[in-house]
Amino acid sequence: NAGVTQTPKFQVLKTGQSMTLQCAQDMNHEYMSWYRQDPGMGLRLIHYSVGAGITDQGEVPNGYNVSRSTTEDFPLRLLSAAPSQTSVYFCASSYPGQATYEQYFGPGTRLTVT
Amino acid sequence: GENVEQHPSTLSVQEGDSAVIKCTYSDSASNYFPWYKQELGKRPQLIIDIRSNVGEKKDQRIAVTLNKTAKHFSLHITETQPEDSAVYFCAASPGGGGANNLFFGTGTRLTVIP
Repeated sequence: NAGVTQTPKFQVLKTGQSMTLQCAQDMNHEYMSWYRQDPGMGLRLIHYSVGAGITDQGEVPNGYNVSRSTTEDFPLRLLSAAPSQTSVYFCASSYPGQATYEQYFGPGTRLTVT
Repeated sequence: GENVEQHPSTLSVQEGDSAVIKCTYSDSASNYFPWYKQELGKRPQLIIDIRSNVGEKKDQRIAVTLNKTAKHFSLHITETQPEDSAVYFCAASPGGGGANNLFFGTGTRLTVIP
C-alpha cells in the first residue's frame, strides 16, 4: 500500500491564482481530512469527509473548497490564493470504528503565496 | 469547539532523563487523545494514543495518562535518547458520526542533549 499520497510537494502561487492540492489513499478509509500547519502552531482542520459524497467544514474553511466523489480521493481547492494561505498542508485518513482511530498523514504540500 | 492547550512549548533534557509534556482540553465529549511526533520537514507520526475509557497506557519508554475529570492528559518519555528530539503534538477528538476530527495543541519542541 502507498498509504496517503499528496501532490505536489511544493508549490508557489501568485495572489489571486487558484489551484488544487491532490490527496489519495489506498487503504479504503472512509474518513479523510485536510489540515494546515503554520509555524509555531499545531495543525488546524480545514475540511473533512466521512465518506464519498459527504463533506463538512472544519476550524478554518474560508478560502478552500473540497469534494469527495470517490473513497480514494479528496482534493483541496484554493479558489483565489492569498498570502495568508502560505502554509504546509497535510491530508489524513482513518477508519473510525475499528479498534484504533489512528489517522494516517500524507507527506504534506508546502505552499507559498506571493 | 474543542480547545487544546499544550505545555511547555520547549523542553530540553539530558540524555537518559525523563520528559513530561502536558495538555488540557475543553470539550468533555472528547474521547480519543493521540500524541504525534514530527521531525523537521516530515509528516506527523502517531506514537501513542489513549481512549477515554482508559486512564493510562504504556508502550516501552512512552506512556500517556488521562484524567477525564480534570480534562488533562500527559505524555511521559523515560530514558530519553537523542533520536527522541522532535516536536510533539497532543490532540483531542470528540469523535462521533464517523468523524475523527483532531484538535491539536501548539506543540512542544523536545531537545535531548547527549
